[in-house]
Amino acid sequence: SQQGEEDPQALSIQEGENATMNCSYKTSINNLQWYRQNSGRGLVHLILIRSNEREKHSGRLRVTLDTSKKSSSLLITASRAADTASYFCATVRGAGGYQKVTFGIGTKLQVIP
Amino acid sequence: DTAVSQTPKYLVTQMGNDKSIKCEQNLGHDTMYWYKQDSKKFLKIMFSYNNKELIINETVPNRFSPKSPDKAHLNLHINSLELGDSAVYFCASSPLGQGYYTQYFGPGTRLTVL
Repeated sequence: SQQGEEDPQALSIQEGENATMNCSYKTSINNLQWYRQNSGRGLVHLILIRSNEREKHSGRLRVTLDTSKKSSSLLITASRAADTASYFCATVRGAGGYQKVTFGIGTKLQVIP
Repeated sequence: DTAVSQTPKYLVTQMGNDKSIKCEQNLGHDTMYWYKQDSKKFLKIMFSYNNKELIINETVPNRFSPKSPDKAHLNLHINSLELGDSAVYFCASSPLGQGYYTQYFGPGTRLTVL
């Protein structure tokens, strides 16, 4: 399997519910980032969590990182129809001038009004 | 103001042709990238440039050649286009020095090879 795999690959929820997406990876990382992609658009950075952090919040977003399990989760609370998009995790690894960013396969979230 | 811009937004061409996609960023970032996103939405890095120097060159056919005339521009030239090259190509940039490598993406160029 690939570095940075999200599950589920597709998620459909009602507006107001929470959405949880997971990401697993294989090698050690420097940090992990979550991005959002609306249909037909480029990816937009949402939140970054460093390898020495366990949890981070930004508005309605909550990200956790478990380096022992090599996994991260993104929680969107009180979802809105406008949250409908694909969400990708990206791992950053390497040292010095060589840093590699690897994206997962994404979770397609649909929030039903 | 557009931070990372790409042209063209859509590109339809015949097999065997040569085409270029241009990318410019006005964020003052040191590192620029090209990604390919296939029909299943899998995003794969192709190239990474740091201050006009190639840093990462993933397993990409040598028909793809990046050109960085200056720190703000990273163009992608594709020779002898094939059907399998059809995809959305994204340019991105990130600042060096923070160590975080947050990516700032352009809007993408949808390439269709007929």
